Amino acid sequence: QTVVTQEPSFSVSPGGTVTLTCGLSSGSVSTSYYPSWYQQTPGQAPRTLIYSTNTRSSGVPDRFSGSILGNKAALTITGAQADDESDYYCVLYMGSGLNWVFGGGTKLTVL
Amino acid sequence: EVQLVESGGGLVQPGGSLRLSCAASGFTVSSNYMSWVRQAPGKGLEWVSVIYSGGSTYYADSVKGRFTISRHNSKNTLYLQMNSLRAEDTAVYYCARVSDYYDSSGYYWGNWFDPWGQGTLVTVSS
Repeated sequence: QTVVTQEPSFSVSPGGTVTLTCGLSSGSVSTSYYPSWYQQTPGQAPRTLIYSTNTRSSGVPDRFSGSILGNKAALTITGAQADDESDYYCVLYMGSGLNWVFGGGTKLTVL
Repeated sequence: EVQLVESGGGLVQPGGSLRLSCAASGFTVSSNYMSWVRQAPGKGLEWVSVIYSGGSTYYADSVKGRFTISRHNSKNTLYLQMNSLRAEDTAVYYCARVSDYYDSSGYYWGNWFDPWGQGTLVTVSS
């Protein structure tokens, strides 16, 4: 069974930079998994931030960026703001018939 | 405006059934891959099911054999029929379009979930 791993929690100071990662329990994440990232605040639906590894969704500030770092997908927030305090989820595409697996999410605190 | 609106959630007893609906506007459901994603209270997101534009359907192991995804083309609506419900199916259920992109040379840039509906809560309890 494929498990997608994310840090359960992370903390960043206002104005600071933080990198959240998205890995596989077995193997490396590559662009072929088409990693995408979503931001979710309590009681709200997820909001698309990044797709196809590093493409920002419409309206997403450029302080959010995606990449592959080593063997993981990564979401970097540069110049964190108070309203970036949210849960962040990555999802990897496993292929037709196997479909998608979400990571467990990272709760980001800005303080 | 591209939009998804779910309905049909509610309280149901274990072993019962429920059908969720997801009405789309601004695009054609049958021309896209459409998916259901759920989120148990206080937990993360879990992919549940997808229907391809060609009609093929796939399910997470946790719901296979109990849930059925379908669509009504003229109503531009996606459905999730949930049978033999269990307490662990309690969650907010989101529908989402699976967006994808091929560039002018035919290169596939991948897929992602967008847009999302606002979600509908399903509670399975006696």
